[in-house]
Amino acid sequence: GAVVSQHPSWVICKSGTSVKIECRSLDFQATTMFWYRQFPKQSLMLMATSNEGSKATYEQGVEKDKFLINHASLTLSTLTVTSAHPEDSSFYICSAGGGQGAGDGYTFGSGTRLTVV
Amino acid sequence: AQSVTQLGSHVSVSEGALVLLRCNYSSSVPPYLFWYVQYPNQGLQLLLKYTSAATLVKGINGFEAEFKKSETSFHLTKPSAHMSDAAEYFCAVRSATSGTYKYIFGTGTRLKVLA
Repeated sequence: GAVVSQHPSWVICKSGTSVKIECRSLDFQATTMFWYRQFPKQSLMLMATSNEGSKATYEQGVEKDKFLINHASLTLSTLTVTSAHPEDSSFYICSAGGGQGAGDGYTFGSGTRLTVV
Repeated sequence: AQSVTQLGSHVSVSEGALVLLRCNYSSSVPPYLFWYVQYPNQGLQLLLKYTSAATLVKGINGFEAEFKKSETSFHLTKPSAHMSDAAEYFCAVRSATSGTYKYIFGTGTRLKVLA
């Protein structure tokens, strides 16, 4: 089945630094990738939708300059949290699908726990 | 706009008892509905999905859900709870906008299984 690899699984960074999270589709092509943010004991909030080769579409209230998304290939999307602050600490999850071999659904990565100190 | 509502943020059942997790949807078009499970510090795993075929959908780990249009519901059930079922469960509806699909998630239900 479709597998999505997301890493790192957890990261601790200092306030003011940037962190990059990778999301890879291992055995299928992902024309579309979604990035979600999940606060403790809450649901998933869609941050942005990225289509390969084009700019990401951000949800209302999500800062484009803070959460940089790149989807340069059919198997890789990255989320960079720039100038991270403690309030950016959260669980980030990607989801991929839409391309050859993806099936008719979207597959989720295992998530990245970001802690900003 | 499409949405899902999960009734009950926490559900506790005894091991071996029936599991019932409720989900109601709102959609102006025939919906595609999903149930996902999330274990601590992990991503989401698809349990089952409804895509306008059979109204009773069977998924993994013994779970099933029934699509009831008249009640706008898609409740998740399992006849006999197992300790390993303790997790967070999310109902979701797929929304299409400008040719791109989005998943809209409910607020989640945390299932606790008591020994």
